[in-house]
Amino acid sequence: DTGVSQDPRHKITKRGQNVTFRCDPISEHNRLYWYRQTLGQGPEFLTYFQNEAQLEKSRLLSDRFSAERPKGSFSTLEIQRTEQGDSAMYLCASSLATGTPSSYNEQFFGPGTRLTVL
Amino acid sequence: KNEVEQSPQNLTAQEGEFITINCSYSVGISALHWLQQHPGGGIVSLFMLSSGKKKHGRLIATINIQEKHSSLHITASHPRDSAVYICAIRGNNNDMRFGAGTRLTVKP
Repeated sequence: DTGVSQDPRHKITKRGQNVTFRCDPISEHNRLYWYRQTLGQGPEFLTYFQNEAQLEKSRLLSDRFSAERPKGSFSTLEIQRTEQGDSAMYLCASSLATGTPSSYNEQFFGPGTRLTVL
Repeated sequence: KNEVEQSPQNLTAQEGEFITINCSYSVGISALHWLQQHPGGGIVSLFMLSSGKKKHGRLIATINIQEKHSSLHITASHPRDSAVYICAIRGNNNDMRFGAGTRLTVKP
C-alpha cells in the first residue's frame, strides 16, 4: 500500500496526558498537511510542511500543539496536556508540489487518527 | 460566516435519482476540491477543479469562478454513494478550507 498512513488509528487518553501521532506520506510527496475534524464538521487546517520546513500554522494550533517533519518524510503531531476539546479526528494529507501552478497539488488523505480525551 | 458553504447539509435520495450538491465560497481560490468521506473517516479526493467541468463515471463536477460556485452531480445514484461529500477550496496561499459537508443517504 503506497498511500498515506497514520498511526495510531485510535487513541484514548486521559485529560492532561500527552499524545503523539505519526503520519507517513506518499514517499515522493514533498508537502504534508495536518487537519483536525470534529464531529459533524469539515476538516480544519492546522499546519503544513514543505519538506522539513513548517511553512504555515493555523491559529487553531495552540502552544500545546507541535508538529515536526525532521527529515522531510514522516511527520509527528504532539498534543501536550490534552483537553476534552482536543477530541477529534486528526487527518494527515500529502501532495507533490512541482513548482507549476498550485492547482495541480492534489492532496491525498490518510485514514486519520481518532483521539478521545476522557 | 464560513468561507465555504455547502448545501444541503443532509440529503436523502432513492436509488437511481440524480443528485446535486452545491458549494459556494467567498474568497479567491487557485483550485476547488470535492472529497468523499466514508463512515470510518477515510477521505478520498474525487475531483480537483480550477475551471469548467470534470466527469468521472457517474460523477460530474462543475465550477463557475466568476460566481464562486461549484456543484457536484451524481447520476443514477446508488446506495454505495452514501457518504459525506465535502467541498474544499485551496486559497492563493495554498492552504485549504473545508465546507461542513453534505451527508448523502441513498436508499435502495
